[in-house]
Amino acid sequence: GENVEQHPSTLSVQEGDSAVIKCTYSDSASNYFPWYKQELGKRPQLIIDIRSNVGEKKDQRIAVTLNKTAKHFSLHITETQPEDSAVYFCAARISGNTGKLIFGQGTTLQVKP
Amino acid sequence: KAGVTQTPRYLIKTRGQQVTLSCSPISGHRSVSWYQQTPGQGLQFLFEYFSETQRNKGNFPGRFSGRQFSNSRSEMNVSTLELGDSALYLCASSFNGVGAYEQYFGPGTRLTVT
Repeated sequence: GENVEQHPSTLSVQEGDSAVIKCTYSDSASNYFPWYKQELGKRPQLIIDIRSNVGEKKDQRIAVTLNKTAKHFSLHITETQPEDSAVYFCAARISGNTGKLIFGQGTTLQVKP
Repeated sequence: KAGVTQTPRYLIKTRGQQVTLSCSPISGHRSVSWYQQTPGQGLQFLFEYFSETQRNKGNFPGRFSGRQFSNSRSEMNVSTLELGDSALYLCASSFNGVGAYEQYFGPGTRLTVT
Protein backbone atom coordinates (compact mmCIF):
# COMPACT_ATOMS: atom_id res chain seq x y z
CA GLY A 1 0.00 0.00 0.00
CA GLU A 2 0.94 3.64 -0.12
CA ASN A 3 2.92 4.67 2.93
CA VAL A 4 5.52 7.26 3.93
CA GLU A 5 7.57 6.80 7.08
CA GLN A 6 9.28 9.85 8.58
CA HIS A 7 12.02 10.01 11.23
CA PRO A 8 12.71 11.33 13.74
CA SER A 9 9.41 12.47 15.23
CA THR A 10 11.20 15.17 17.24
CA LEU A 11 14.55 16.83 16.72
CA SER A 12 16.28 19.39 18.89
CA VAL A 13 19.41 21.21 17.70
CA GLN A 14 21.45 24.21 18.72
CA GLU A 15 21.26 27.32 16.61
CA GLY A 16 23.83 27.09 13.83
CA ASP A 17 23.86 23.29 13.74
CA SER A 18 22.49 21.21 10.88
CA ALA A 19 19.26 19.22 10.96
CA VAL A 20 18.39 16.16 8.88
CA ILE A 21 14.96 14.57 8.51
CA LYS A 22 14.53 11.30 6.65
CA CYS A 23 11.57 9.73 4.87
CA THR A 24 11.00 6.38 3.25
CA TYR A 25 8.22 5.67 0.77
CA SER A 26 6.69 2.37 -0.20
CA ASP A 27 5.39 2.85 -3.74
CA SER A 28 8.14 2.73 -6.34
CA ALA A 29 5.81 4.57 -8.73
CA SER A 30 6.18 7.75 -6.66
CA ASN A 31 7.63 10.56 -8.74
CA TYR A 32 7.35 13.79 -6.74
CA PHE A 33 8.44 14.51 -3.17
CA PRO A 34 7.57 17.84 -1.52
CA TRP A 35 8.48 19.07 1.93
CA TYR A 36 6.19 21.30 3.97
CA LYS A 37 6.85 23.45 7.01
CA GLN A 38 3.98 24.10 9.39
CA GLU A 39 4.30 26.65 12.14
CA LEU A 40 1.92 26.53 15.06
CA GLY A 41 -1.58 27.57 14.02
CA LYS A 42 -0.59 28.14 10.40
CA ARG A 43 -1.04 26.36 7.10
CA PRO A 44 1.56 23.92 5.73
CA GLN A 45 3.96 25.85 3.53
CA LEU A 46 5.79 24.25 0.62
CA ILE A 47 9.50 24.85 1.20
CA ILE A 48 11.21 22.60 -1.33
CA ASP A 49 10.41 19.67 -3.58
CA ILE A 50 12.20 17.16 -5.77
CA ARG A 51 11.18 15.05 -8.72
CA SER A 52 12.17 11.46 -9.33
CA ASN A 53 14.55 12.33 -12.19
CA VAL A 54 16.73 14.47 -9.89
CA GLY A 55 19.03 13.31 -7.09
CA GLU A 56 19.50 16.54 -5.17
CA LYS A 57 18.09 20.05 -5.02
CA LYS A 58 19.23 23.05 -2.98
CA ASP A 59 17.66 26.34 -2.04
CA GLN A 60 19.84 28.50 0.17
CA ARG A 61 20.06 26.74 3.56
CA ILE A 62 17.81 23.83 2.68
CA ALA A 63 18.44 20.85 0.44
CA VAL A 64 16.68 17.64 -0.40
CA THR A 65 18.26 14.40 -1.58
CA LEU A 66 16.52 11.45 -3.20
CA ASN A 67 17.67 7.84 -3.44
CA LYS A 68 15.21 6.07 -5.74
CA THR A 69 16.86 2.68 -5.33
CA ALA A 70 16.46 2.76 -1.56
CA LYS A 71 13.15 4.64 -1.80
CA HIS A 72 14.13 7.32 0.63
CA PHE A 73 14.58 11.07 0.61
CA SER A 74 15.92 13.52 3.14
CA LEU A 75 15.66 17.19 4.09
CA HIS A 76 18.83 18.95 5.17
CA ILE A 77 18.77 22.32 6.91
CA THR A 78 22.13 23.99 7.51
CA GLU A 79 22.96 26.86 9.86
CA THR A 80 19.65 26.44 11.65
CA GLN A 81 17.95 29.49 13.14
CA PRO A 82 15.23 29.77 15.81
CA GLU A 83 12.70 30.65 13.10
CA ASP A 84 13.28 27.21 11.57
CA SER A 85 11.44 25.76 14.58
CA ALA A 86 8.26 24.14 13.23
CA VAL A 87 6.76 20.81 12.21
CA TYR A 88 8.14 19.48 8.93
CA PHE A 89 6.22 17.04 6.74
CA CYS A 90 7.51 15.00 3.85
CA ALA A 91 5.13 13.67 1.22
CA ALA A 92 5.08 11.52 -1.89
CA ARG A 93 2.95 11.63 -5.00
CA ILE A 94 2.18 8.49 -6.95
CA SER A 95 2.93 8.76 -10.62
CA GLY A 96 -0.13 9.38 -12.72
CA ASN A 97 -2.67 12.05 -13.19
CA THR A 98 -3.32 12.69 -9.53
CA GLY A 99 -3.26 15.38 -6.89
CA LYS A 100 -3.01 12.90 -4.05
CA LEU A 101 -0.11 13.29 -1.63
CA ILE A 102 0.77 10.71 1.01
CA PHE A 103 2.29 12.44 4.04
CA GLY A 104 4.75 11.33 6.66
CA GLN A 105 3.82 11.74 10.31
CA GLY A 106 5.83 14.92 10.75
CA THR A 107 8.97 15.98 12.60
CA THR A 108 8.90 18.65 15.27
CA LEU A 109 12.13 20.62 14.96
CA GLN A 110 13.23 22.80 17.84
CA VAL A 111 16.18 25.12 17.32
CA LYS A 112 17.58 26.37 20.62
CA PRO A 113 19.15 29.83 20.63
CA LYS B 1 -1.94 36.04 -7.02
CA ALA B 2 -4.17 35.58 -4.04
CA GLY B 3 -3.59 32.40 -2.08
CA VAL B 4 -5.94 29.57 -1.30
CA THR B 5 -8.80 30.65 0.93
CA GLN B 6 -11.12 28.58 3.09
CA THR B 7 -14.34 29.43 4.85
CA PRO B 8 -15.33 29.32 7.57
CA ARG B 9 -12.15 29.28 9.62
CA TYR B 10 -13.79 27.82 12.72
CA LEU B 11 -16.90 25.72 13.27
CA ILE B 12 -18.50 24.12 16.27
CA LYS B 13 -21.12 21.50 15.55
CA THR B 14 -23.02 18.86 17.50
CA ARG B 15 -22.91 15.13 16.87
CA GLY B 16 -25.36 14.10 14.19
CA GLN B 17 -25.33 17.44 12.40
CA GLN B 18 -23.87 18.01 8.97
CA VAL B 19 -21.36 20.62 7.82
CA THR B 20 -20.19 22.18 4.57
CA LEU B 21 -16.72 23.66 4.13
CA SER B 22 -15.60 25.81 1.22
CA CYS B 23 -12.28 26.22 -0.58
CA SER B 24 -11.32 28.76 -3.23
CA PRO B 25 -8.14 27.79 -5.09
CA ILE B 26 -5.44 29.99 -6.52
CA SER B 27 -6.61 31.58 -9.76
CA GLY B 28 -5.85 29.25 -12.66
CA HIS B 29 -5.49 26.14 -10.52
CA ARG B 30 -7.75 23.33 -11.62
CA SER B 31 -7.15 20.73 -8.92
CA VAL B 32 -8.38 20.91 -5.34
CA SER B 33 -7.39 18.26 -2.82
CA TRP B 34 -8.79 17.96 0.69
CA TYR B 35 -6.92 16.66 3.74
CA GLN B 36 -7.85 15.98 7.33
CA GLN B 37 -5.23 16.87 9.93
CA THR B 38 -5.37 15.45 13.45
CA PRO B 39 -2.66 15.10 16.10
CA GLY B 40 -2.92 11.32 16.07
CA GLN B 41 -3.26 10.58 12.35
CA GLY B 42 -1.37 13.48 10.80
CA LEU B 43 -2.37 14.65 7.34
CA GLN B 44 -4.69 12.24 5.57
CA PHE B 45 -5.96 12.57 2.02
CA LEU B 46 -9.73 12.80 1.68
CA PHE B 47 -10.33 13.36 -2.03
CA GLU B 48 -9.32 15.38 -5.06
CA TYR B 49 -11.43 17.23 -7.57
CA PHE B 50 -10.29 18.21 -11.04
CA SER B 51 -12.51 19.87 -13.63
CA GLU B 52 -15.61 19.25 -11.50
CA THR B 53 -14.90 15.51 -11.25
CA GLN B 54 -13.68 13.51 -8.29
CA ARG B 55 -10.39 12.09 -9.47
CA ASN B 56 -9.14 10.40 -6.31
CA LYS B 57 -10.62 9.30 -3.04
CA GLY B 58 -8.98 8.40 0.25
CA ASN B 59 -10.07 5.87 2.85
CA PHE B 60 -12.84 7.80 4.52
CA PRO B 61 -16.47 6.76 4.98
CA GLY B 62 -19.20 7.88 2.62
CA ARG B 63 -20.25 10.55 5.12
CA PHE B 64 -17.44 12.60 3.63
CA SER B 65 -18.26 13.98 0.21
CA GLY B 66 -17.33 16.88 -1.97
CA ARG B 67 -17.88 18.68 -5.19
CA GLN B 68 -16.23 21.21 -7.43
CA PHE B 69 -17.81 24.02 -9.36
CA SER B 70 -17.01 25.34 -12.82
CA ASN B 71 -14.87 28.12 -11.31
CA SER B 72 -12.78 25.43 -9.52
CA ARG B 73 -14.11 26.36 -6.08
CA SER B 74 -14.71 23.26 -4.05
CA GLU B 75 -16.87 22.27 -1.12
CA MET B 76 -16.70 19.30 1.16
CA ASN B 77 -19.58 18.01 3.21
CA VAL B 78 -19.59 15.81 6.28
CA SER B 79 -22.92 14.33 7.27
CA THR B 80 -23.93 12.77 10.59
CA LEU B 81 -20.97 14.24 12.42
CA GLU B 82 -19.09 12.13 14.96
CA LEU B 83 -16.78 13.28 17.75
CA GLY B 84 -13.86 11.79 15.83
CA ASP B 85 -14.48 14.17 12.95
CA SER B 86 -13.03 17.01 15.03
CA ALA B 87 -9.98 18.08 13.06
CA LEU B 88 -8.37 20.74 10.92
CA TYR B 89 -9.62 20.38 7.35
CA LEU B 90 -7.18 21.67 4.80
CA CYS B 91 -7.61 22.11 1.11
CA ALA B 92 -4.75 22.48 -1.34
CA SER B 93 -4.84 23.73 -4.89
CA SER B 94 -2.61 22.78 -7.76
CA PHE B 95 -2.43 23.57 -11.44
CA ASN B 96 -1.67 19.86 -11.89
CA GLY B 97 -0.71 20.12 -15.48
CA VAL B 98 2.18 18.15 -16.94
CA GLY B 99 5.06 18.45 -14.49
CA ALA B 100 3.23 21.00 -12.34
CA TYR B 101 2.53 19.12 -9.16
CA GLU B 102 3.04 21.77 -6.48
CA GLN B 103 0.18 21.97 -4.00
CA TYR B 104 -0.51 25.10 -1.97
CA PHE B 105 -2.55 24.89 1.17
CA GLY B 106 -5.29 27.09 2.50
CA PRO B 107 -5.42 28.16 6.17
CA GLY B 108 -7.82 25.37 7.04
CA THR B 109 -11.17 25.09 8.78
CA ARG B 110 -11.00 24.02 12.40
CA LEU B 111 -14.04 21.80 13.06
CA THR B 112 -15.00 20.90 16.61
CA VAL B 113 -17.74 18.35 17.14
CA THR B 114 -19.33 18.27 20.60
